[in-house]
Amino acid sequence: GAVVSQHPSWVICKSGTSVKIECRSLDFQATTMFWYRQFPKQSLMLMATSNEGSKATYEQGVEKDKFLINHASLTLSTLTVTSAHPEDSSFYICSALRGASGNTIYFGEGSWLTVV
Amino acid sequence: RKEVEQDPGPFNVPEGATVAFNCTYSNSASQSFFWYRQDCRKEPKLLMSVYSSGNEDGRFTAQLNRASQYISLLIRDSKLSDSATYLCVVSGGPGGGNKLTFGTGTQLKVEL
Repeated sequence: GAVVSQHPSWVICKSGTSVKIECRSLDFQATTMFWYRQFPKQSLMLMATSNEGSKATYEQGVEKDKFLINHASLTLSTLTVTSAHPEDSSFYICSALRGASGNTIYFGEGSWLTVV
Repeated sequence: RKEVEQDPGPFNVPEGATVAFNCTYSNSASQSFFWYRQDCRKEPKLLMSVYSSGNEDGRFTAQLNRASQYISLLIRDSKLSDSATYLCVVSGGPGGGNKLTFGTGTQLKVEL
């Protein structure tokens, strides 16, 4: 079964509203989680690295004020897309690092966001 | 230049065929290498890690050439269920840590 759960799987929202996506590690503690975005026929692009108890580290070109990441506990990281626009429609996927050596990465099932 | 480059395909092959995918990466300091499989509208799933000595897992064989910064995946006796997009992934090196860098993927379609 899944060891990283992502919710919701699908979401449709109106332009200008905000959407929150949750990423949970189910049977392990994840001090580090990653958020990716994938547009059709493109590769997964890392948006940010989420560290428990500290601010996320954003990749170049990703607006931190638009994509709010909170990693308040060792099993939960959230991504909030604020003031969503149609161009934000995409597949958002999280992954979690397992183990002290951090050599095992598990992916969530992904969340399809459609902004209308 | 993209950090990880792959031929996007699609590769259309008959069932039972052998198919090979190639990948090149630009960061010579990369430490870890993987092949992931991604089915349509799903999350990527780890297929296998890739080691310099080459490694095999059933019908799948992966090779790494660090000098050429080149990774390959060979699928023998392909099955219909092998149809998917295969992602070449690298990680590690200075500043890279555990961050995974994905190629755009190579699409495989296995046909009857």
